[in-house]
Amino acid sequence: DAKTTQPNSMESNEEEPVHLPCNHSTISGTDYIHWYRQLPSQGPEYVIHGLTSNVNNRMASLAIAEDRKSSTLILHRATLRDAAVYYCILKGLNYGGSQGNLIFGKGTKLSVKP
Amino acid sequence: GAGVSQSPSNKVTEKGKDVELRCDPISGHTALYWYRQSLGQGLEFLIYFQGNSAPDKSGLPSDRFSAERTGGSVSTLTIQRTQQEDSAVYLCASSPLAGGPYEQYFGPGTRLTVT
Repeated sequence: DAKTTQPNSMESNEEEPVHLPCNHSTISGTDYIHWYRQLPSQGPEYVIHGLTSNVNNRMASLAIAEDRKSSTLILHRATLRDAAVYYCILKGLNYGGSQGNLIFGKGTKLSVKP
Repeated sequence: GAGVSQSPSNKVTEKGKDVELRCDPISGHTALYWYRQSLGQGLEFLIYFQGNSAPDKSGLPSDRFSAERTGGSVSTLTIQRTQQEDSAVYLCASSPLAGGPYEQYFGPGTRLTVT
């Protein structure tokens, strides 16, 4: 799986939108962009994923650049419970090969201030 | 529905002992993964199973680590002759399939402490 680059940390105020960036300049045409987050003392939690088009779900929105070399996870109104480490991960299309597992980087530690 | 469950939630063992960690994936998920997270470190892939295919063991750190998945469901991760550096949180995840579009659902983890 191709590598991603994220800022080490970000801060946000409660109830404000948060834009978490991710660069993946070596992404291949069949790589999906996945976002997971890990709250303190918990296992990772799936947030959202996409391939080419922007995606929305109940947790967040994913904005994917036209050239797919970067993406942004958008939390529309941050809450204190959104404080976590957010991971941007590329996942290959291969259904049976070594691309099945997730390769976690260091992620972005998001702090939310009341 | 029920999520991924793991047992025990905590395990303290003496150096040199063998331990078994259990994972119950979400029903119907054909892909199952094991990861570990050492204190202050990132998540490290260990092994994954996809249906009846041979498991991908490329992440296992040594031959003291092994895993099996019985009947395409429950999985057990075994660590033989545990060492202090094996202390970590061991996480299990499952997915409908292993490919790109499928998200993984993680269990709460087993915290292993080797004294």
